Order: sequence, then C-alpha cells, then structure tokens
Amino acid sequence: QKEVEQNSGPLSVPEGAIASLNCTYSDRGSQSFFWYRQYSGKSPELIMSIYSNGDKEDGRFTAQLNKASQYVSLLIRDSQPSDSATYLCAVIVNSGYALNFGKGTSLLVTP
Amino acid sequence: DAGITQSPRHKVTETGTPVTLRCHQTENHRYMYWYRQDPGHGLRLIHYSYGVKDTDKGEVSDGYSVSRSKTEDFLLTLESATSSQTSVYFCATKRGTGVQETQYFGPGTRLLVL
Repeated sequence: QKEVEQNSGPLSVPEGAIASLNCTYSDRGSQSFFWYRQYSGKSPELIMSIYSNGDKEDGRFTAQLNKASQYVSLLIRDSQPSDSATYLCAVIVNSGYALNFGKGTSLLVTP
Repeated sequence: DAGITQSPRHKVTETGTPVTLRCHQTENHRYMYWYRQDPGHGLRLIHYSYGVKDTDKGEVSDGYSVSRSKTEDFLLTLESATSSQTSVYFCATKRGTGVQETQYFGPGTRLLVL
C-alpha cells in the first residue's frame, strides 16, 4: 500500500494567522492531489485539487505541490475558527481508481 | 452534496446478520466508490464500480460484496456482520477525467455491529 503521511496534530493557530498543513506521499507515479476538509461527524468536503508543480490559489487557500520532493501542502490564510476541522490529504495514482488518504491533520483555530 | 444520498444514515445491527447499505446518485456518474473510515486508519477503499455490473475490490474488501444494477445505485452488503465492521461508510462518485478527476462524497452511514 502506497503511503500518504500527515502529522496528526492537533495544529493550533490563532485567529487571523496562516495555518500550514503538510503531506508527503511515497508513490512517484501519483498524478493528482487533493485536500479535503472534514468536520466532526460529517463527510469529507473537497477544498483544493492540484495536478502540476507549483502553487494554486483559491480564496484563502493555497495548495503547493513539489513532485520532486513528493510533498504537497495547504496554506490557509487569515484562519478563522470555522476552519477548525480535520484536513485530509489524498492522492490518486491511477485514473479512476481510489483516493489514497492520509490519516488527517486536526486544525484548531483559537479566537 | 454532489447529488449523493446514502441510506440508512444510521444503523445498529447484531453480529451475524446481513446488512445492505445503499448509495444513490443523481448525476449519472460512471464511477462509484465505497470507503470506510475508522480512527487510526483514515479512509480506506472497500469496493468500487466503473459501470453497471462492473465492480472491483479495494484494499479492505473481505466480508463485503457490492452490486450495481443501475447507474444511479451502488449497494454494499455485509453478508454476515462482525464487530470489526463497525465503522462509518462513505460512498463517493468521480467527476472529470484524467489528472483533473475529483471525487465527491455522500453524507455517510454510521454502522454499529453489536
């Protein structure tokens, strides 16, 4: 089983700060990379996807991909208490097949 | 919600009984997936389907079977439930193609096997 690794946290940041979430993956053939947000008792919600090296920005969220280092990250600017959730990193190796998930990082944004 | 519903949303059953979970989608997506989520393990693939009557096994398929007789419905059956199958079950569908594909999840079913 190819690995997707995340620090379980909790990662605690003050309101208004930048939260930085990190993920590494073991399969160099991985094609597509995703960040999901999951609130307690809810289903995973897709917040960012990235396919090419570099940065991709969407509102307060920036995903960063470095395929040479097998590293993908998520930055959340101006963090809000409503951002408190578990963030799941996921990777697809082969089109149509399953997402391979990390175990998630718990983020706590304190007022 | 990506047009995905799951039923039942909550179920309590006893060891040894059969259980069927249903996933229904309204967007005519070809690919559908069943995952389970457990503390310490994250989300893991049970089975997936790439078309009507076309299914394949995932990482944790033992003790589970699936069927897909219509595009919109993907059923997961626990033939004889065990306590180790207590979990939260999520259905997902795939949108897009190639490197730009994404998966969207249903609301989940919480299953407790006593």
